Amino acid sequence: DADVTQTPRNRITKTGKRIMLECSQTKGHDRMYWYRQDPGLGLRLIYYSFDVKDINKGEISDGYSVSRQAQAKFSLSLESAIPNQTALYFCATSTSGTGIQETQYFGPGTRLLVL
Amino acid sequence: DQQVKQNSPSLSVQEGRISILNCDYTNSMFDYFLWYKKYPAEGPTFLISISSIKDKNEDGRFTVFLNKSAKHLSLHIVPSQPGDSAVYFCAAWSPDSWGKLQFGAGTQVVVTP
Repeated sequence: DADVTQTPRNRITKTGKRIMLECSQTKGHDRMYWYRQDPGLGLRLIYYSFDVKDINKGEISDGYSVSRQAQAKFSLSLESAIPNQTALYFCATSTSGTGIQETQYFGPGTRLLVL
Repeated sequence: DQQVKQNSPSLSVQEGRISILNCDYTNSMFDYFLWYKKYPAEGPTFLISISSIKDKNEDGRFTVFLNKSAKHLSLHIVPSQPGDSAVYFCAAWSPDSWGKLQFGAGTQVVVTP
């Protein structure tokens, strides 16, 4: 069974619609992250959470919001989707600490197309 | 302002030969470096890492070299195999980054027969 799961795996939506991407983990990690991947830009951090009560903006948070419903669940919402939010979205987890503990473990990704 | 740069978007190598992937960084506070491998339709998976107190770390066919004075690291894959065909991301962490990683843009490696 996968340790980090994302739903849906693929989504097509229209401009202006609100959508939610969900992430669940069974690794017992306290830290969770949302990234987007665009060609030529690598992985860029949208939001991250170090525990249920801690939510922080990443480098590209505009147009997105998140909810940490439990230690194991972290959802990403696009309040009003726009075409330039078309991308591959990844959830990741890690434990706290330094060095090897900073290794992040990724889900399989959600491919989002905004028409 | 990209602090981690992978200047080669793609690399083609013959099976059995060495693959060398390069990564440059600008932040001297980076303390820990990681390489991730990504297959299509899958999330990135951790491959190998190196602490700034070391200049080399080896794990089977994969070796990462760190040159702190040049702010440069490289990943060597020897020998390259068809299953190594993937996108490779370099990432870096600093103590003041609050757990966040900075990723490079990735290098697509294609291993040909």
